[in-house]
Formats: sequence, structure tokens, C-alpha cells
Amino acid sequence: ILNVEQSPQSLHVQEGDSTNFTCSFPSSNFYALHWYRWETAKSPEALFVMTLNGDEKKKGRISATLNTKEGYSYLYIKGSQPEDSATYLCAFLGSSNTGKLIFGQGTTLQVKP
Amino acid sequence: DVKVTQSSRYLVKRTGEKVFLECVQDMDHENMFWYRQDPGLGLRLIYFSYDVKMKEKGDIPEGYSVSREKKERFSLILESASTNQTSMYLCASVVFSGNSPLHFGNGTRLTVT
Repeated sequence: ILNVEQSPQSLHVQEGDSTNFTCSFPSSNFYALHWYRWETAKSPEALFVMTLNGDEKKKGRISATLNTKEGYSYLYIKGSQPEDSATYLCAFLGSSNTGKLIFGQGTTLQVKP
Repeated sequence: DVKVTQSSRYLVKRTGEKVFLECVQDMDHENMFWYRQDPGLGLRLIYFSYDVKMKEKGDIPEGYSVSREKKERFSLILESASTNQTSMYLCASVVFSGNSPLHFGNGTRLTVT
């Protein structure tokens, strides 16, 4: 059974703080790693799809890194804002999974003004 | 923009009822998915479909069935609803390649009493 773990499960920070969280996934048979942001009362939206070891992606104040050899990805948020409050999900796609993304349990971020 | 529409935002059903959750996407995506989300468990795959009339079981298919008679529509059926099926249900679609992110609907919060 493939396991995708995210830590921490929840996080409370002050506005302006920078934060990061982790996604751990199997280091073998890697195809892609997805990050999604899920705000309350909205649908999850894609942040990044990462496929190459060492990949770094950035979208505004949010960036992500990928290490496929050791099986982890970090998501960083610089200068957190209240609108960053959401649940952040990562999902692993293995080369043999033919489309079945395996999701982590998510990290819920609360940014206090 | 891709639009994935789920027929109901909130639904309350009684134990033993047959329940239909509908999902429609407007971008001619081949692949469609049904997930449920429960606190601390992330998104778990119930069923997915790669083409019309084609379906495959996900990780937790027990108590559910699906129907895909047309490419744009993927229905999740609870044959006899039970209280342990109270959950948030999310539909998603994608033009599959591992580099493509999923597009999600807004979710259906189902309560079975």
C-alpha cells in the first residue's frame, strides 16, 4: 500500500510569518507530485505539478521543491497572509498507477491577522 | 476555464435510501474521479473512469457504484446509504497525462441520518 504523509497536520501562524510543510511519498516508481490548495467552501485548485528531481516551482509567494530520490517535497509560503488560510494537499502519482493519485491527509494552515 | 459541476452542495438522506451524486465537466476530459474526504484521512479514491462506460475501483469502492454513460457525466451511486457514508464527496476530471492537474468540483456534503 502506497503511503503519502504530510506534516504537520495543522499550523497556526501570524500574518507575515513564513512557513513550510512537508510531503513524504514513496521514492520508487515516481512519476509526478501534485500540490493543491483547498479553501473553505471552494474546490481544490492546483498549485504545482512537479515531475523532475530537484525541481523548484514558484507561484507568487508560494514555492515548492522536490526530491524524488529521498521521497519528499516541501511547500513554502513567504510572508503568510490571511487569504493563504486553507488546507494544502499533496498527491503522488507513481509510474505504475495509471492515473490514480494518492493524496496525503493535508496540512491545514490558519493565518491570523 | 474548465468547469466541473456537482449537482448538489448539501444533501441529507436517510439510511437505506438510494443516493445519486452527479458530476458534469465541460472540457471533454477522458478521465473522471470520485473521492471522499474525511477529517484526518485526506482524499480517498472511490471510483474512476477513463472512458465512457468504463470504470475502475479505487481504494474504497465498497457500498458505491458508478455510471458513465456520456463522456461529460460521471455519477456516483450509493445503493443503500449508511451513516458511515456521511462525508464530503469530490468529483474531479483531467485530460490525462501525469503532468496535468485535476480539476475539482465544489464538493457535495452528504449527511446520512
